[in-house]
Amino acid sequence: QTVVTQEPSFSVSPGGTVTLTCGLSSGAVSTGHYPTWYQQTPGQAPRTLIFSTNLRSAGVPNRFSGSILENKAALTITGAQPEDESVYYCALYMSGGISSFGGGTKLTVL
Amino acid sequence: QVQLQESGPGVVKSSETLSLTCSVSGGSISGSYWSWIRQPPGRGLEWIGYIYHSGSTKYNPSLQSRVTISLDTSKKQFALKLGSVIPGDTAVYYCAKGPGPNFEFWGQGALVTVSS
Repeated sequence: QTVVTQEPSFSVSPGGTVTLTCGLSSGAVSTGHYPTWYQQTPGQAPRTLIFSTNLRSAGVPNRFSGSILENKAALTITGAQPEDESVYYCALYMSGGISSFGGGTKLTVL
Repeated sequence: QVQLQESGPGVVKSSETLSLTCSVSGGSISGSYWSWIRQPPGRGLEWIGYIYHSGSTKYNPSLQSRVTISLDTSKKQFALKLGSVIPGDTAVYYCAKGPGPNFEFWGQGALVTVSS
């Protein structure tokens, strides 16, 4: 079974730029996986940031962007803010019509 | 704006069936996909499955033998049943709109604890 992989943790300075990635244990991520990025803060449901690789959800600041980089989906935060400290999950559309989440990346802004 | 609200018992005994209902407001339940997702305490998200307004379903293969998702359009509700539960099924269960991987709207989540 193919697993969706994410960095367990990442750190960025306020105002800095960070790129989180979402890969597959076997094979490359493509736009056909419709990569979706979620932000989750403690006690809250996840919130969609990016869907279909690079489309920003309504109300999401434009410092968040999505792309495909070197066979992985990527979420880039340009000019990170303290309020961006969260756990970020990616989700992919897999064969058979199922969805699979990565394990999440805990982002620290300090 | 679609709003979703989970409801059901907060504690279920091992080997019994977990049952949750999701009530949909602010929009039609027809013409859409509706999903269940869960998150064990301190861990990541796991997609459980979805139902389409026609009644067709798709389940996570890892849970397929124990899961049933159903729909009641007259009540604007959809439901999750997970059978033969174990303590490892303890999680916050979310209902959401969409088949994935983009779930556009989420409920607030319901913590279900499986007691041994």
